[in-house]
Amino acid sequence: GAVVSQHPSRVICKSGTSVKIECRSLDFQATTMFWYRQFPKQSLMLMATSNEGSKATYEQGVEKDKFLINHASLTLSTLTVTSAHPEDSSFYICSARDVGAGGVTGELFFGEGSRLTVL
Amino acid sequence: AQSVSQHNHHVILSEAASLELGCNYSYGGTVNLFWYVQYPGQHLQLLLKYFSGDPLVKGIKGFEAEFIKSKFSFNLRKPSVQWSDTAEYFCAVSPSGGYNKLIFGAGTRLAVHP
Repeated sequence: GAVVSQHPSRVICKSGTSVKIECRSLDFQATTMFWYRQFPKQSLMLMATSNEGSKATYEQGVEKDKFLINHASLTLSTLTVTSAHPEDSSFYICSARDVGAGGVTGELFFGEGSRLTVL
Repeated sequence: AQSVSQHNHHVILSEAASLELGCNYSYGGTVNLFWYVQYPGQHLQLLLKYFSGDPLVKGIKGFEAEFIKSKFSFNLRKPSVQWSDTAEYFCAVSPSGGYNKLIFGAGTRLAVHP
């Protein structure tokens, strides 16, 4: 299947700093990418839908100024956690939909996730 | 709000045992249903999906799932598990069509002993 790559896979930062996580579709174009957050022993929670060339759509309760999403190209979306705090520590997972595979019925492919630890 | 409930958080089986993982969702409209698997250290992979048609869906690696609309359920089954099936399994629902905005269950961690 298609490959979605996230970088970095692990990051540790100090409280108050900003961290950028990249999500790349390696062998297909993705007009839409989704960002999820996963707490230990809990399900993946959708944070936002990232659309190439336009503003991201955030789910209720997700602070858009805290979690900045940029989808500058058909193969790259970035999530920036601004002024990170310990409660932002989590596992962040992105997924991308193959634009050539049939609109919303095109299969989603997931990245391997990025574990953020804020000290 | 829509939600997905997976009944078992941890399941331990011996090889060759049969598997059934429960999944129920709360949404009254048309939904698309998915099971994903996450092997240790790897990303989520699609096991199978239901969009329409035959409610008994066959996926990869011998897995199948049955959509029972009256019970709002989409249970995952495999008649004989292998050690290599050790993984975490996630049920997901898309209430808005296709693969749009998936809502995930909490996951079931399966351990298969040789």
